Amino acid sequence: DAKTTQPTSMDCAEGRAANLPCNHSTISGNEYVYWYRQIHSQGPQYIIHGLKNNETNEMASLIITEDRKSSTLILPHATLRDTAVYYCIVRATNSGNTPLVFGKGTRLSVIA
Amino acid sequence: DTGVSQNPRHKITKRGQNVTFRCDPISEHNRLYWYRQTLGQGPEFLTYFQNEAQLEKSRLLSDRFSAERPKGSFSTLEIQRTEQGDSAMYLCASTPGQEKAETQYFGPGTRLLVL
Repeated sequence: DAKTTQPTSMDCAEGRAANLPCNHSTISGNEYVYWYRQIHSQGPQYIIHGLKNNETNEMASLIITEDRKSSTLILPHATLRDTAVYYCIVRATNSGNTPLVFGKGTRLSVIA
Repeated sequence: DTGVSQNPRHKITKRGQNVTFRCDPISEHNRLYWYRQTLGQGPEFLTYFQNEAQLEKSRLLSDRFSAERPKGSFSTLEIQRTEQGDSAMYLCASTPGQEKAETQYFGPGTRLLVL
């Protein structure tokens, strides 16, 4: 699976949009971009994933550049409860049973 | 709540003791994964089950570690002769096992502290 690069930490004001970037310049055509987050002392929580097109669900939006070398996770109206470590993971579409490979993620702090 | 559950949530033990953790996956999920997470790091894969068969083990899983899933439902992870370096969060995840590249759903984890 391709490697991802994320900023170590970010701050966001409560109520504003949080935009979390991820670089995956070595991504191949058959690899998804997944986002998970981990709130302090809890297990990772699935947020969203995409292949080529932008995706949106009740939690967030995922914007993938046309060349697929980077993506941005958008939390449209961040709340204090969105404070967490956010992990960007690249995973092959035919990965079958392979485990997830986590980096260190981005620590997002939402500030009141 | 029908998510992945793990017990205990916290465990404190003395070096040299044995500990066992339990994971109950989401009902009818065939695939079950164990991960370990140390402070400041992302989770790292330990081992994986397809039903009752243990199909993959990481090099992190030393011979002091053993995992089982005897009936293809819940799983246990045992650490024998614990060491201080075993202190970590132990996470369990499950997937239905029906498709490729399925989303993994994680439990709350068991935090182990070895004194």
